[in-house]
Amino acid sequence: AQSVTQLGSHVSVSEGALVLLRCNYSSSVPPYLFWYVQYPNQGLQLLLKYTSAATLVKGINGFEAEFKKSETSFHLTKPSAHMSDAAEYFCAVRGTSYGKLTFGQGTILTVHP
Amino acid sequence: DTGVSQNPRHKITKRGQNVTFRCDPISEHNRLYWYRQTLGQGPEFLTYFQNEAQLEKSRLLSDRFSAERPKGSFSTLEIQRTEQGDSAMYLCASSSTGASSTDTQYFGPGTRLTVL
Repeated sequence: AQSVTQLGSHVSVSEGALVLLRCNYSSSVPPYLFWYVQYPNQGLQLLLKYTSAATLVKGINGFEAEFKKSETSFHLTKPSAHMSDAAEYFCAVRGTSYGKLTFGQGTILTVHP
Repeated sequence: DTGVSQNPRHKITKRGQNVTFRCDPISEHNRLYWYRQTLGQGPEFLTYFQNEAQLEKSRLLSDRFSAERPKGSFSTLEIQRTEQGDSAMYLCASSSTGASSTDTQYFGPGTRLTVL
């Protein structure tokens, strides 16, 4: 079975500051890992995914994440926050190359001017 | 490619009524997933189809819930005898099992159900 823990239900940063959203996973098999973003009253949009290739994954909108097996982590970062980054972010894990995703509880990112 | 669409976007119903939601996946996507998201939580898996076959159902999918994908294209999710605890956002996602695919799931905008 797989599970995801997102540390911090709310993260607040200033515009231009570093964004760091934390995700730790548990999986009995090599995981597939994903970050999705959700804007109010909308569905989820894929930011990036790790599928056992490069451990540093680059996604859309300047986001990237690094897979660290020793720490069972897949933290999401962006060097400089923009006001449009304000949204809820979900980390998800899957134990096979297809099938259901298991999501974390989400982190709401607030960006202050 | 018009993306995954879901209808209706919002549904308000009284307890005990039946409701049905529709999901139209990205064309030629052979996998279709249903998730439920309650306030402040991440989406939870309900069920998924490959073509018209329902391959997995969560224990969250009680006998009041039924999902179909009769021709391997659109899908419907029906909830019978709705309860207030069914109030949630119901999300649909689709993916492709093509050779170059990693089964990336693309989500629709969701149907928000409110049971009074």
